[in-house]
Amino acid sequence: GAGVSQSPRYKVTKRGQDVTLRCDPISSHATLYWYQQALGQGPEFLTYFNYEAQPDKSGLPSDRFSAERPEGSISTLTIQRTEQRDSAMYRCASSLGRLIRRETQYFGPGTRLLVL
Amino acid sequence: GQQLNQSPQSMFIQEGEDVSMNCTSSSIFNTWLWYKQDPGEGPVLLIALYKAGELTSNGRLTAQFGITRKDSFLNISASIPSDVGIYFCAGQRETSGSRLTFGEGTQLTVNP
Repeated sequence: GAGVSQSPRYKVTKRGQDVTLRCDPISSHATLYWYQQALGQGPEFLTYFNYEAQPDKSGLPSDRFSAERPEGSISTLTIQRTEQRDSAMYRCASSLGRLIRRETQYFGPGTRLLVL
Repeated sequence: GQQLNQSPQSMFIQEGEDVSMNCTSSSIFNTWLWYKQDPGEGPVLLIALYKAGELTSNGRLTAQFGITRKDSFLNISASIPSDVGIYFCAGQRETSGSRLTFGEGTQLTVNP
């Protein structure tokens, strides 16, 4: 696609429910990132994928958080048993994946999650 | 989680003024980046810096990679109303792969 897209744009859920967020990266991009952005803060790294491999998931805050990219394109981020502190903007980014350090990460518009 | 120290947190300026913001870290980064975030949008890359001491310009924007590799600054000259937004610095380490560490952001307001 033309840019990174994310769905839903807004999600309101009750504490204890599971939520799944979706990211569609730019179609030619091998690398995909997930970030969490609290209100008034910068994005914080959660995890990333090279195609379907997940080399680094050290930023995931707890084992309630998991991410998948089974076919190396679309990715989902799942939060189980949501808690109010999970409320944040969840941003996805993608990059070409050839020279990772010097590549631009293109960010999507984010999913705003509110846990009541 | 770890974030870079970015200042100021907010700025209110008149159109035409120059703006300066900076970012510091207690540890070294190999790459420094500056992003701008508009309301309802994701961050967009403005400038990337890859070498200590590097000074790079992009139109009215100028950024420098500090010689110690622990800081960076961004200058915007002759500000215009569309410069309004949140500016984030971000650092990247070779040892951390492709993850970016972001600052807290500088909210810029430009009064016409």
